[in-house]
Amino acid sequence: QKEVEQNSGPLSVPEGAIASLNCTYSDRVSQSFFWYRQYSGKSPELIMSIYSNGDKEDGRFTAQLNKASQYVSLLIRDSQPSDSATYLCAVTDSGGYNKLIFGAGTRLAVHP
Amino acid sequence: SQTIHQWPATLVQPVGSPLSLECTVEGTSNPNLYWYRQAAGRGLQLLFYSVGIGQISSEVPQNLSASRPQDRQFILSSKKLLLSDSGFYLCAWSQGGNNEQFFGPGTRLTVL
Repeated sequence: QKEVEQNSGPLSVPEGAIASLNCTYSDRVSQSFFWYRQYSGKSPELIMSIYSNGDKEDGRFTAQLNKASQYVSLLIRDSQPSDSATYLCAVTDSGGYNKLIFGAGTRLAVHP
Repeated sequence: SQTIHQWPATLVQPVGSPLSLECTVEGTSNPNLYWYRQAAGRGLQLLFYSVGIGQISSEVPQNLSASRPQDRQFILSSKKLLLSDSGFYLCAWSQGGNNEQFFGPGTRLTVL
């Protein structure tokens, strides 16, 4: 069964620190990788997409992909209390139709 | 720009009652559409997806069904709700080869 694994947390970091969120996936054929942010009671919001090995930066967010290790990570620099949310990792399902497999999410808490 | 709507936002239904949740997408044509359920504190479970009008694929056996009567309309239904149907129901759309999915605001369903 295809799986996406994340540490459920909570990951607690002080304001201004770097938060590091990790994700592993089982399907070697997966080609696209995503990070979603979900505030409590709200729907997931796409914040990062990454398709090739290496780093991709967007503002305070950096996504890192290592397909050989089947590992994706998200770094949040200068963490703010507004970053407190659950972060969902998603990878493409090799079955096609743009289907995604989601991890259960890591809860991040940024304290002042 | 594209917009996705879901209604109702919240719903409380008795066990055994019927269900109809609606999702519509604006600003795009022929999108892939998805229904997910998120149980409290859990990840996203893909229920149905559709690649075109009248084309529905089911991911898990259950007492739910889906229909796509129009290109940008996706409906989730049940004839008789179970307690286990409670959860946060999310509709999403995608288009093109980048596999990105975008979520609607969701419907929170409580079955009593």
